[in-house]
Amino acid sequence: SQKIEQNSEALNIQEGKTATLTCNYTNYSPAYLQWYRQDPGRGPVFLLLIRENEKEKRKERLKVTFDTTLKQSLFHITASQPADSATYLCALDGRGGGADGLTFGKGTHLIIQP
Amino acid sequence: EAGVTQSPTHLIKTRGQQATLRCSPISGHTSVYWYQQALGLGLQFLLWYDEGEERNRGNFPPRFSGRQFPNYSSELNVNALELEDSALYLCASSWDRGQYGYTFGSGTRLTVV
Repeated sequence: SQKIEQNSEALNIQEGKTATLTCNYTNYSPAYLQWYRQDPGRGPVFLLLIRENEKEKRKERLKVTFDTTLKQSLFHITASQPADSATYLCALDGRGGGADGLTFGKGTHLIIQP
Repeated sequence: EAGVTQSPTHLIKTRGQQATLRCSPISGHTSVYWYQQALGLGLQFLLWYDEGEERNRGNFPPRFSGRQFPNYSSELNVNALELEDSALYLCASSWDRGQYGYTFGSGTRLTVV
């Protein structure tokens, strides 16, 4: 069955360092891979989308890589700040047309220590 | 620009009752998606509406249903509520079927007692 795995343990990072989050998937050939941020009791907030034919995408302090051979995406936050503390969700869009909705991982809880 | 709005914020129902949740998408977005986020689980895809029609549904029983109105707002109905239906229900909208990401509302917290 299709499966998305993210670090289930909380990730503690010192302020100013780079945080790297991992998303691995199996039995899936996604057209798009997306990253969202979710704060407690709130809806996810869209951060970045990367397509299957793209290797890397950047937006300000954020960078996403996508390796369809390894079936893995890495999400980086550089110069991390305490305000970056949240749960980060990886999501796959299989056919690229939204027909099956997004399949989400359970998320990684990121804590940036001052 | 107003984001995706959902109402009510919280809803408490008794087992066996029906719940109705509402969602207004971003202006110009014609697609609305519903997700369930139960405690300890990831977001699970429930339903997709586009141009007033149900286009697809996730692996949920028929007592989860809904509709989309001509103004693209949407309603999710959950009949014969069970305790395990307690969850955060999230609505998302997009244009161009999510090729540029999805915008989520803040959700409705449904508690079944």
